[in-house]
Amino acid sequence: GESVGLHLPTLSVQEGDNSIINCAYSNSASDYFIWYKQESGKGPQFIIDIRSNMDKRQGQRVTVLLNKTVKHLSLQIAATQPGDSAVYFCAENIGGTYKYIFGTGTRLKVLA
Amino acid sequence: DGGITQSPKYLFRKEGQNVTLSCEQNLNHDAMYWYRQDPGQGLRLIYYSQIVNDFQKGDIAEGYSVSREKKESFPLTVTSAQKNPTAFYLCASSIGQGLRQPQHFGDGTRLSIL
Repeated sequence: GESVGLHLPTLSVQEGDNSIINCAYSNSASDYFIWYKQESGKGPQFIIDIRSNMDKRQGQRVTVLLNKTVKHLSLQIAATQPGDSAVYFCAENIGGTYKYIFGTGTRLKVLA
Repeated sequence: DGGITQSPKYLFRKEGQNVTLSCEQNLNHDAMYWYRQDPGQGLRLIYYSQIVNDFQKGDIAEGYSVSREKKESFPLTVTSAQKNPTAFYLCASSIGQGLRQPQHFGDGTRLSIL
């Protein structure tokens, strides 16, 4: 069953193309950021994180970019695959406190 | 394999009934959290616990209760006072507060009203 928003913004990409998913965060005091992937009926899965003392961090096929000036975060997925189809959302954390603020998410659809 | 286990996957509540959602972790994490996920909204924090025998209210604690008697367990009770309980409930854990580490999530419990 569907566990996340039915009216989320959707990004459709061709298999093999690169995907860029954007997130605007809310609190200028946030200093730690996380990207999660959530498949239908499942819990969020950690993808990559970045601290505010960095502008860019790379993982396997994923890159996160952080622009603190405009409070913007992006997730780049290289060579998008059908298994990448899911909802992606960002989270921000303030100074290592208990408080994580989660975005509403973007649905990524990979077209064969 | 280490992880977070939530049960049951689906749960139905009758009017006036309290129901309890289970969350167990074997990651040896100190902090545990309960979130509610509704369509079109970000996760909202219900309760969190930083250590055994201690827990704090989150943003939407009304109508819910928790306990933390063991490090690995953090059950959530949805009471009859919660008038709109239909949602997807997610339990998470992290190493501890202040360490800037990601939260790890279970696969959720979907609660519906009969």
